[in-house]
Amino acid sequence: DTAVSQTPKYLVTQMGNDKSIKCEQNLGHDTMYWYKQDSKKFLKIMFSYNNKELIINETVPNRFSPKSPDKAHLNLHINSLELGDSAVYFCASSQTGTGEFFGPGTRLTVL
Amino acid sequence: AQSVTQPDIHITVSEGASLELRCNYSYGATPYLFWYVQSPGQGLQLLLKYFSGDTLVQGIKGFEAEFKRSQSSFNLRKPSVHWSDAAEYFCAAGNSGNTPLVFGKGTRLSVIA
Repeated sequence: DTAVSQTPKYLVTQMGNDKSIKCEQNLGHDTMYWYKQDSKKFLKIMFSYNNKELIINETVPNRFSPKSPDKAHLNLHINSLELGDSAVYFCASSQTGTGEFFGPGTRLTVL
Repeated sequence: AQSVTQPDIHITVSEGASLELRCNYSYGATPYLFWYVQSPGQGLQLLLKYFSGDTLVQGIKGFEAEFKRSQSSFNLRKPSVHWSDAAEYFCAAGNSGNTPLVFGKGTRLSVIA
């Protein structure tokens, strides 16, 4: 029944590791996003996909690579994790006129 | 540059009191405007949105917001706050339904008995 789901909810890992976060939406939306929320709660867009195509790629290290196998899924792969990558990552989706619907977030902690 | 400003970092109100959270935007044209709420450890839930038309919009949980073009503002209000309203509130703006939102830095609401 969940509209936008993310896995895992928590991710604790060592520096230098590679990890992935998965996102799925069952709303039929064409557009999906990844946002990063830092320790001060500030939300910033990272990527935006429309119908599986990358539309927006903000100033994000190329260690971050999104992949959209179909328009219901948008995964985020992170290589060579650094301490500064620790944050909460939110997936969202939207359709014209709906506003954005957010997933529950993935809290990433890099040790 | 497009921006959204929430002037109040933290607000404390008594349960049952009225609430107003401020939001100002800076955009080339009238943007789409949103208010989201984030409870601790949770994702963001959409409270209400303004695209066009009636400048007073009603949302969920008894919230409303008023768009004032002359002041570039979209303030969130609630006539009587409940303890469960304690959360972080984010104002956001976008150019259309399918562009990423620009978020304000959030206002943390505390509710006291």
